[in-house]
Amino acid sequence: GAVVSQHPSRVICKSGTSVKIECRSLDFQATTMFWYRQFPKKSLMLMATSNEGSKATYEQGVEKDKFLINHASLTLSTLTVTSAHPEDSSFYICSARGLLGVSSEAFFGQGTRLTVV
Amino acid sequence: KNQVEQSPQSLIILEGKNCTLQCNYTVSPFSNLRWYKQDTGRGPVSLTIMTFSENTKSNGRYTATLDADTKQSSLHITASQLSDSASYICVVSVHMRFGAGTRLTVKP
Repeated sequence: GAVVSQHPSRVICKSGTSVKIECRSLDFQATTMFWYRQFPKKSLMLMATSNEGSKATYEQGVEKDKFLINHASLTLSTLTVTSAHPEDSSFYICSARGLLGVSSEAFFGQGTRLTVV
Repeated sequence: KNQVEQSPQSLIILEGKNCTLQCNYTVSPFSNLRWYKQDTGRGPVSLTIMTFSENTKSNGRYTATLDADTKQSSLHITASQLSDSASYICVVSVHMRFGAGTRLTVKP
């Protein structure tokens, strides 16, 4: 199946710094990418949906200035957690969907474990 | 209220037994419904994807059903194995909304 690579898999950063997480579709073009956050023993919570070349659509309650999303190409989307705080510590997962839109399969990255100290 | 409700929240079964997980949704519009398996600390892996017109779809020991009229889906796991222990998540498109998942534990 298609591969979505997420990097880094783990990151530890100091409070107040920014962290960038990359999501790449390795063997297909992803017109839409989704970013999720997952707390321990909880399901994934959709943070935002991004379409290549346009601004991301954020879910209610998600601060767009806090979680900057860039989807500059059909194979790469980035999530930047700005001025990170300990409460931002979480498991972040991206998902990419192909050119067939909603009929396409959505593939997930391996996830990024962010710890803010 | 979550637009995708899954039950049970957790389930423990013995190896070799069958089990059925439920998913009820109110998400609209609807294009397809997906079941994923997620191991702890990993990204979800797709098991099945079903469109509005499909009633059932199988993938090995996994069989998903869909009733678009009642907005209910189920995932049946046959002859469970220890490696089936994971969270099983129902996702309803278009907006890729996730259910809370069912945590399945298979014991020897």
